[in-house]
Amino acid sequence: DSGVTQTPKHLITATGQRVTLRCSPRSGDLSVYWYQQSLDQGLQFLIQYYNGEERAKGNILERFSAQQFPDLHSELNLSSLELGDSALYFCASSSTGGGEKLFFGSGTQLSVL
Amino acid sequence: AQTVTQSQPEMSVQEAETVTLSCTYDTSESDYYLFWYKQPPSRQMILVIRQEAYKQQNATENRFSVNFQKAAKSFSLKISDSQLGDAAMYFCAYRRGTTSGSRLTFGEGTQLTVNP
Repeated sequence: DSGVTQTPKHLITATGQRVTLRCSPRSGDLSVYWYQQSLDQGLQFLIQYYNGEERAKGNILERFSAQQFPDLHSELNLSSLELGDSALYFCASSSTGGGEKLFFGSGTQLSVL
Repeated sequence: AQTVTQSQPEMSVQEAETVTLSCTYDTSESDYYLFWYKQPPSRQMILVIRQEAYKQQNATENRFSVNFQKAAKSFSLKISDSQLGDAAMYFCAYRRGTTSGSRLTFGEGTQLTVNP
């Protein structure tokens, strides 16, 4: 168990809908990262938050947004969903934003039908 | 931009034998970290080993060791005494050594099969 909790584990929805994925980092970790894993694009970095502030942005679509709350949990919001958004979404956490290890949650499998 | 390349989409090894997975990376940074992550069928991402670029000594974790060649930008993973539970997708990853915000950049992955 990595200590990073993601909910829900599975999500099935329809095109055009909006969903929210939730992540609780390991106790004491200030930094949260979101990754998307799909068959055609591999593991893609989406966005990072550190202690409530956006720290780095990757290949995140404008239809997607995220935030980190004062209690350090994070949410990834995906809107106007398309079939191509179907993927495994990982959250990871680390104690700072530097080069130390990232610990991953078990992921949320999103299926857009 | 940093890139990570794993040239072996699939590898197989006999149980109890040794296998080496290859990884190369491209960066202009001098301060960085390299990682190997394992993703078994459960799809959980599990950290296997980490190497700091400033350290010349190769990292070792039990049956897992790396061969870090900084000049060649090569970072291979050696698994000794392979076990059935080692079967998984293995990802090589790179991360800049900065506190200002640093993502993991992953390679494409190598699917390892362990034959009994």
